Amino acid sequence: EDKVVQSPLSLVVHEGDTVTLNCSYEVTNFRSLLWYKQEKKAPTFLFMLTSSGIEKKSGRLSSILDKKELFSILNITATQTGDSAVYLCARYGSSNTGKLIFGQGTTLQVKP
Amino acid sequence: DVKVTQSSRYLVKRTGEKVFLECVQDMDHENMFWYRQDPGLGLRLIYFSYDVKMKEKGDIPEGYSVSREKKERFSLILESASTNQTSMYLCASREGGGNQPQHFGDGTRLSIL
Repeated sequence: EDKVVQSPLSLVVHEGDTVTLNCSYEVTNFRSLLWYKQEKKAPTFLFMLTSSGIEKKSGRLSSILDKKELFSILNITATQTGDSAVYLCARYGSSNTGKLIFGQGTTLQVKP
Repeated sequence: DVKVTQSSRYLVKRTGEKVFLECVQDMDHENMFWYRQDPGLGLRLIYFSYDVKMKEKGDIPEGYSVSREKKERFSLILESASTNQTSMYLCASREGGGNQPQHFGDGTRLSIL
C-alpha cells in the first residue's frame, strides 16, 4: 500500500531558526507530492511537486522533491511564531481517483 | 478564492443518532472528499465522489454513507453514531483530473456522547 512518512513528528524551535521537515514515500506510479499547513482549522495548500530537483519557493518557505531517493523536504527560514502549525505531506495514490495519502504530520512550535 | 464551507464547526450528538455533516464548495469542482483526522493517525479518507451521484469508498467507510445530489454539495452521514466516531471531520474538493491540489473546509469537530 502507498505510504507517506513524515519526520520529525514534532519540533520546537526559537524565532529566527531555520527548520527542515522531511517526508518520504513509497513509490507506485508516483504523480505528485503536496505540502499543507494546518493551524487551528483548514489545511491550507502550500506546494505541489511533480518534478525532481526543482525548488518551489514562497517567501520564507521552500520545498524540493527527490524522486530517486523518494523524499521531499520543506524548509522554513527565519521562523516566526506564526509558522507554528501542523505541516502535512501527502501524495496522490497509484490509481487516478484524486485520492490523497497523508503522512502523520509534523507539529512545529516556534517560541518567541 | 477557493471556498469550501462545512455547516458546523462543533457538533455534539448522542450514541445511536443519525448525523448529517454538510459540505458546500463554490468552485464547480468535480471531485469532493470526506476525511477524518485523529491524533497519531493523520487524515484518513472515508468516502469520495468524482461527480454528481457518483461515490467511492475510501479507506475507512464502515459506519458512514454519503450523498451527492448536486455538484456543489457533498454530505456525510453517520447512520447510527457511535463513540468511536468522535473525531475532526474535514471536507475537501478539487478540479477533476490531472494534478490539482485539494482545498479543505475548516472542519467539523464531532463529539458522540
